[in-house]
Amino acid sequence: AQSVTQLDSQVPVFEEAPVELRCNYSSSVSVYLFWYVQYPNQGLQLLLKYLSGSTLVKGINGFEAEFNKSQTSFHLRKPSVHISDTAEYFCAVSVAQGGSEKLVFGKGTKLTVNP
Amino acid sequence: KAGVTQTPRYLIKTRGQQVTLSCSPISGHRSVSWYQQTPGQGLQFLFEYFSETQRNKGNFPGRFSGRQFSNSRSEMNVSTLELGDSALYLCASSLASRRDTQYFGPGTRLTVL
Repeated sequence: AQSVTQLDSQVPVFEEAPVELRCNYSSSVSVYLFWYVQYPNQGLQLLLKYLSGSTLVKGINGFEAEFNKSQTSFHLRKPSVHISDTAEYFCAVSVAQGGSEKLVFGKGTKLTVNP
Repeated sequence: KAGVTQTPRYLIKTRGQQVTLSCSPISGHRSVSWYQQTPGQGLQFLFEYFSETQRNKGNFPGRFSGRQFSNSRSEMNVSTLELGDSALYLCASSLASRRDTQYFGPGTRLTVL
């Protein structure tokens, strides 16, 4: 079964510092990968997704992620974070099942940006 | 375009009761998926509906059911509520395929007392 591991449950950083949120997935023939962000008391918002092509994917709010097939990783990065980036971040893989698909999520990483 | 809407946003029920949650997808989206989010288990897939048919189901007991109407709106029902059903229930809509982005609603916070 497909699975997603987010290696850090909490990541504290200072404002304007770079950040990397790590994500590893179990391998599959074709992989579609996603990063979502959840602000308090809200639903999930898509940051970026990898379907195929270039392994470096750029998303909203200055985030980017790199797909590494050999390492089965899809780490999320931002060169300089803001207080407003404080949120929980979820990595997900799209799994084909019975002619349909579902998203399998990691446990999430809580990013706290301190002044 | 309006986003995914879920009603109600908050709900308090007691054990043994049943509950119905509603989800209105983005206009033109035919796929609706439901997820349960809890602090312990994280985000877990419940089921997915496409063109009024359940296409996919997660590992939840039969107390959890759903349906989709011809206008793509979806409802999920939980019968005989248990304390462990307390969670944020998220609905997501998409066009159809694995490549399509799932757009999430704000969720319904269910508390079972």
